Amino acid sequence: DIQLTQSPSFLSASVGDRVTITCRASQGISSYLAWYQQKPGRAPKLLVSAASTLQTGVPSRFSGSGSGTEFTLTINNLQPEDFASYYCQQVNSYPYTFGQGTKLEIQ
Amino acid sequence: QVQLVQSGTEVKKPGASVKISCKASGYSFTKYYIHWVRQAPGQGLEWMGIINAGLGSTNYSQKFQGRITLTRDTSTRTVYMELSSLRSEDTALYFCARKTYSDYWGQGTLVTVSS
Repeated sequence: DIQLTQSPSFLSASVGDRVTITCRASQGISSYLAWYQQKPGRAPKLLVSAASTLQTGVPSRFSGSGSGTEFTLTINNLQPEDFASYYCQQVNSYPYTFGQGTKLEIQ
Repeated sequence: QVQLVQSGTEVKKPGASVKISCKASGYSFTKYYIHWVRQAPGQGLEWMGIINAGLGSTNYSQKFQGRITLTRDTSTRTVYMELSSLRSEDTALYFCARKTYSDYWGQGTLVTVSS
């Protein structure tokens, strides 16, 4: 199975900050990576597909990059609604594993 | 509009089985895969398996192999996830989700396994 390691696991930031979350794959996955946002008790929301394609309706302050084994999700100008948990998921090969998650908290 | 509506909360005893439904609407049902993902209390997301809603072919995480069965009924546009030999560690919120990059998700079904 492909392991995804996210860092950091917890992130404390303020409104207006820029934050970056990293996702590292245990083997190359080309660009077959998604990023999801999840709020407590809710289903995840797809933010980015194919490593860097922003989904329709997702604010442009979100961006994804990377390929192979290292990927990043960057959020510019943090807004109050961005404080949530974030997960990467590889869809290169079964099983479609998730990273362990990054919880973004208000400082 | 696209919707995935899951069946309601389940409470089961250890050793029992649970079967959760995920009813799709608003799109061509047989065109897309449906995934199942679960989330234990306070934990991260865990991918369980996937079904091709058109062909009915499946792929399961090795962790659940032998305990999980995904099926679909094209006449009712419904996918089912059955998990057997339940144990307390299976207590979780279970989600269905559409497509490889999952753009639509069900609302989640809470399964509690307790004696």
